[in-house]
Amino acid sequence: GIQVEQSPPDLILQEGANSTLRCNFSDSVNNLQWFHQNPWGQLINLFYIPSGTKQNGRLSATTVATERYSLLYISSSQTTDSGVYFCAVAGDAGNMLTFGGGTRLMVKP
Amino acid sequence: EAGVTQSPTHLIKTRGQQATLRCSPISGHTSVYWYQQALGLGLQFLLWYDEGEERNRGNFPPRFSGRQFPNYSSELNVNALELEDSALYLCASSSWTGTDSNQPQHFGDGTRLSIL
Repeated sequence: GIQVEQSPPDLILQEGANSTLRCNFSDSVNNLQWFHQNPWGQLINLFYIPSGTKQNGRLSATTVATERYSLLYISSSQTTDSGVYFCAVAGDAGNMLTFGGGTRLMVKP
Repeated sequence: EAGVTQSPTHLIKTRGQQATLRCSPISGHTSVYWYQQALGLGLQFLLWYDEGEERNRGNFPPRFSGRQFPNYSSELNVNALELEDSALYLCASSSWTGTDSNQPQHFGDGTRLSIL
């Protein structure tokens, strides 16, 4: 099956700083999603981005499918951005998502 | 538009018992997926149902089973509960138009299952 690796595993930022989270995957994908898991366990959809670039407020994402990676950019971070960010992908075998190990982000005031 | 709803929010069972978790998809979605998030093991795919049929299952023993009803809601059943089944169980739904056009999944808030 598809392997998904995320980096860095942990990230500590000061409020207002910018950051880039990376997701590498081992095979071609038809679905790539970024999620934010809050401290209560809720998985919040950030982006559906199997290819290309999208922006939503302070967040943006880029997927370069031919090179098998995706990047999530967080600008002007806020304490409410803290939590775990997951990248998840699905390929030709069907829409079952394979998740990366996540990046745990802590934003300090 | 209502999102994916799961019940119960929390469930406490003892070893050997059976647990039933429920999920209602977003209106218009025909696919329902179940995932397990156990401490230290990350998020793992469990089961996928579409149009009432099991389409795929992850690497879990047969005591994990489920079904999808005509209204597209779904149940996850876990028999002979073991301590390591303690986890957050997340349900997701999507529309599905075939393997060459996978659709985004939307997740519920989960059921936290604790085995004593």
